[in-house]
Amino acid sequence: DIVMTQSPLSLPVTPGEPASISCRSSQSLLNSNGNNHLDWYLQKPGQSPQLLIYLGSNRASGVPDRFSGSGSGTDFTLKISRVEAEDVGVYYCMQALQTPFTFGPGTILDIK
Amino acid sequence: QVQLQESGPGLVKPSETLSLTCTVSGASVDTYYWSWIRQPPGKGLEWIGYIYNSGRTTYNPSFKSRVTFSLDTSKNQFSLRLTSMTAADTAVYYCARQYNHLGSFRIDYWGQGTLVTVSS
Repeated sequence: DIVMTQSPLSLPVTPGEPASISCRSSQSLLNSNGNNHLDWYLQKPGQSPQLLIYLGSNRASGVPDRFSGSGSGTDFTLKISRVEAEDVGVYYCMQALQTPFTFGPGTILDIK
Repeated sequence: QVQLQESGPGLVKPSETLSLTCTVSGASVDTYYWSWIRQPPGKGLEWIGYIYNSGRTTYNPSFKSRVTFSLDTSKNQFSLRLTSMTAADTAVYYCARQYNHLGSFRIDYWGQGTLVTVSS
């Protein structure tokens, strides 16, 4: 199985400030088609996870442009340019390359 | 608008079998990949497997031979069956849709989840 790790595991952020979450995979998620098979999800308190970013850097429908994804191979980053109160929750990366699909442990973002 | 809704028992006894159903609206279970994912209380997400192409399945080997998925196209539903339940199977179970785009399987729709507790 591909092992996913994230850092930090906890991220207190002041509203209006930027935030960054790192995700690493135990093997490359870059496919022969040149795409990185890495997704980001946000699980807001009491809710189901929701898709934020797919294929490493593509925002899902309705996701604000303050969210961006980058990286390639085994190292990926989710950035929030200016954190808002509604961004609190747990952020997960997931490798979508091969089964079994696996998630990172999650990064808890909360407001200072 | 695609919507998914899980249904099933909230409490299962140890050694018994869990059966959950996911009812889908806004998309046909004949297309796409339909998944089950679980989340133990306070913990992370675990992919159980998916069913697709009118009944083909791929399971997480962690569940070995305990898990079975099925489709009911007449009701636009898909189901999970997990045998030999233990306390370690206590979790919120989500049904979800996975969309295959360029060989990548993003999860674009999730159910609200249903908590299953294993206890005598």
